[in-house]
Amino acid sequence: EVQLVESGGGLVQPGRSMKLSCAASGFTFNNYDMAWVCQAPKKGLEWVATISYDGSSTYYRDSVKGRFTISRDNAKSTLYLQMDSLRSEDTATYYCARLRVGGWGQGVMVTVSS
Amino acid sequence: DVVMTQTPVSLSVAIGQPASISCKSSQSLVGTSGKTYLNWLLQRPGQSPKRLIYLVSKLDSGIPDRFSGSGSETDFTLKISRVEADDLGVYYCLQGTHFPYTFGAGTKLELK
Repeated sequence: EVQLVESGGGLVQPGRSMKLSCAASGFTFNNYDMAWVCQAPKKGLEWVATISYDGSSTYYRDSVKGRFTISRDNAKSTLYLQMDSLRSEDTATYYCARLRVGGWGQGVMVTVSS
Repeated sequence: DVVMTQTPVSLSVAIGQPASISCKSSQSLVGTSGKTYLNWLLQRPGQSPKRLIYLVSKLDSGIPDRFSGSGSETDFTLKISRVEADDLGVYYCLQGTHFPYTFGAGTKLELK
């Protein structure tokens, strides 16, 4: 069974950093592109970033380019999202997902507030 | 960016009745591989999204065949032949052909 378990969320002040992790199990992690998707409170889904199966390619939505970094450790079957220079508008639940083949984590809440 | 226009915003359907949701993209979703990366997802209240359909019309494992997807190029439809209580929630279309990937705004299915 595919399992994706996010961690690392919480309350952070504007301008500070936070790193999310997603531990994967139940599939061969290094065979799949992985993504982060966010959902602001009471809002819809927004794609944040994708990383290729081997980490060689990364893609970001414009609003996070230069501030967020997606990465992976295939030896640990873990996906990361380093979030710097956080803004109040980054407040959301962040999901780790295999968008093209299915499988979502339960999500982790990030609140950016002073 | 590809804009995904999803309609209706909300849908009130009685148990056993059909339902249909439309998703139109601002450009063709046919990729260079010839595949069309159009997914349908359901987010039940308080849960994370779950994929129902991928590549326009392929049902994910465990998804009942009451659900079906159709369409091509820029025009796509999700149909539920007979709505059940377990179907309530918000449905999203997602295009995974062009970066940035984009979602429809969602359709809230409520039971009448």
